[in-house]
Amino acid sequence: TQLLEQSPQFLSIQEGENLTVYCNSSSVFSSLQWYRQEPGEGPVLLVTVVTGGEVKKLKRLTFQFGDARKDSSLHITAAQPGDTGLYLCAGAPLYGNKLVFGAGTILRVKS
Amino acid sequence: DSGVTQTPKHLITATGQRVTLRCSPRSGDLSVYWYQQSLDQGLQFLIHYYNGEERAKGNILERFSAQQFPDLHSELNLSSLELGDSALYFCASSAGLAGSNEQFFGPGTRLTVL
Repeated sequence: TQLLEQSPQFLSIQEGENLTVYCNSSSVFSSLQWYRQEPGEGPVLLVTVVTGGEVKKLKRLTFQFGDARKDSSLHITAAQPGDTGLYLCAGAPLYGNKLVFGAGTILRVKS
Repeated sequence: DSGVTQTPKHLITATGQRVTLRCSPRSGDLSVYWYQQSLDQGLQFLIHYYNGEERAKGNILERFSAQQFPDLHSELNLSSLELGDSALYFCASSAGLAGSNEQFFGPGTRLTVL
């Protein structure tokens, strides 16, 4: 069974701080997706990374896929209260037909 | 707005009852997925349909069933409800057959079983 471990589970920071969320596995994924979910709403797809070593930027968010395609990170620069939410990573296995979801990182940004 | 719609938004019912959750995928998407999300279990994959056919099953209880209709909308039926079935139920859709494609989630149905 392929697993994706996310860390930290919970992060509470002040507005303006930087943070990094990690998504790790011992398995290789063909692609990895990051979602953000607000309370009571559905997850919203932020980005998909496909190539080992790939870096994608979305405003203040930087996503990186590990060279071996086993891990990924999400870095937020100068966090804002609007960044508050649950961040989920989801990996597409090389063999298999289901996305593998991490348990998520709850981010709280205080103003 | 992901383009995926789910109804109802909220559902409150009693133990032992049966409910039906409805999902309409994004225009053009042939795959529909159902997920259950609870505080202690995270996001759990239930079932995947592609163009009307079941493609993959996850942690779906025998009391639960789903189907996808010719117009591609899907319904998740939950029967003999128990307190532990209280959760958020999400539908997601994607364009292709592979369950590992990018998935777009609906707003969810919050089910409360009393």
